[in-house]
Amino acid sequence: DTGVSQDPRHKITKRGQNVTFRCDPISEHNRLYWYRQTLGQGPEFLTYFQNEAQLEKSRLLSDRFSAERPKGSFSTLEIQRTEQGDSAMYLCASSLWGHQTSYEQYFGPGTRLTVT
Amino acid sequence: DAKTTQPTSMDCAEGRAANLPCNHSTISGNEYVYWYRQIHSQGPQYIIHGLKNNETNEMASLIITEDRKSSTLILPHATLRDTAVYYCIVSALGDSSYKLIFGSGTRLLVRP
Repeated sequence: DTGVSQDPRHKITKRGQNVTFRCDPISEHNRLYWYRQTLGQGPEFLTYFQNEAQLEKSRLLSDRFSAERPKGSFSTLEIQRTEQGDSAMYLCASSLWGHQTSYEQYFGPGTRLTVT
Repeated sequence: DAKTTQPTSMDCAEGRAANLPCNHSTISGNEYVYWYRQIHSQGPQYIIHGLKNNETNEMASLIITEDRKSSTLILPHATLRDTAVYYCIVSALGDSSYKLIFGSGTRLLVRP
């Protein structure tokens, strides 16, 4: 399968703990996006990378959240000192940007976080 | 905030066409209309996009009105596997992030 993969698929953690999620995009895609989705709502944009550069962050991304894409391939999203309000599905997407820009984003299956 | 308005839910019979409307009355000239869908417990899936002209691919057809203030996604022969939440999104060509601003979408139920 050469689609977007995310790990883990599910994570249960206690309030106050740190968690880290990983996203592996489609291999030739240079853009990577993170979204968050709560129950009954559409996904909300969090941040995106072009190669290893983080180019935009949403106001939703508080200082407890940090994302990296160190070599322009996989990305990690870390949440420090988790709160119950962080419980959500975290979605990763990738796309190809450039002279052969692909306008569509390809999404992974998501990581469902439950903070107890 | 999302720039589109969609009905909360719709249903159609299996084998019939499903026509999903979307209102985007404030769309700008450089904004594309995208459709994605999300089947339960999966990530969103790209369906189709367009700027001005009607578009068709193997999944669906997109009809955009001449004034571009509304569009309709057509699934010509809906199957049970098409049951999903369908999102209509506008995204600006001039916004180089191409981030997607999702609304609440339309929940489509395909009945046997």
